[in-house]
Amino acid sequence: AQKVTQAQTEISVVEKEDVTLDCVYETRDTTYYLFWYKQPPSGELVFLIRRNSFDEQNEISGRYSWNFQKSTSSFNFTITASQVVDSAVYFCALSEINTGTASKLTFGTGTRLQVTL
Amino acid sequence: GVTQSPTHLIKTRGQQVTLRCSSQSGHNTVSWYQQALGQGPQFIFQYYRKEENGRGNFPPRFSGLQFPNDSSELNVNALELDDSALYLCASSPQLGSDNEQFFGPGTRLTVL
Repeated sequence: AQKVTQAQTEISVVEKEDVTLDCVYETRDTTYYLFWYKQPPSGELVFLIRRNSFDEQNEISGRYSWNFQKSTSSFNFTITASQVVDSAVYFCALSEINTGTASKLTFGTGTRLQVTL
Repeated sequence: GVTQSPTHLIKTRGQQVTLRCSSQSGHNTVSWYQQALGQGPQFIFQYYRKEENGRGNFPPRFSGLQFPNDSSELNVNALELDDSALYLCASSPQLGSDNEQFFGPGTRLTVL
């Protein structure tokens, strides 16, 4: 069975601080996808990144960066120089790699990030 | 984008409810998720070309339909208090887990 753990329930930072959201996962699959989604108060899940388990290279996109370490089953997300607009709930998710279905995502419980001025 | 209706809904225990989702144009795969308060979304089921194509750990009183125009419905019979949640649908352009899913804003269901 697949499982995603986001141990941090809530994080509060002051604008311009860096913040790292932790994600640890469990799966018996040897190949899989990992995701991060952002959920603002409106409720819609916004896709941020997908990472294939084959690819352990870190990725940077603007102020966002992701650190994937297969050895520790972690896929952490860092926001550099946080902004008030980053305030949201962030979800880490996992899916098997399958050509016969769209991703059936297993989500963590989310981390609520509050960025204040 | 993906749209869902209604935005909010209040029902009483034992009633039946139908939630609707309009997929993004050209998308033929739709998935439904249940998100209880303070939790992550949980996969309910997925439809591809009007057929159920995978189901999560939900009882049969959760059922779905997909229409020729790729819109979809989620039906829940015999509502229970624990069914209170945000229901999200997501569409994909085709099968294959390498295709991104696009989520709608959700329908918040309250069961009293």
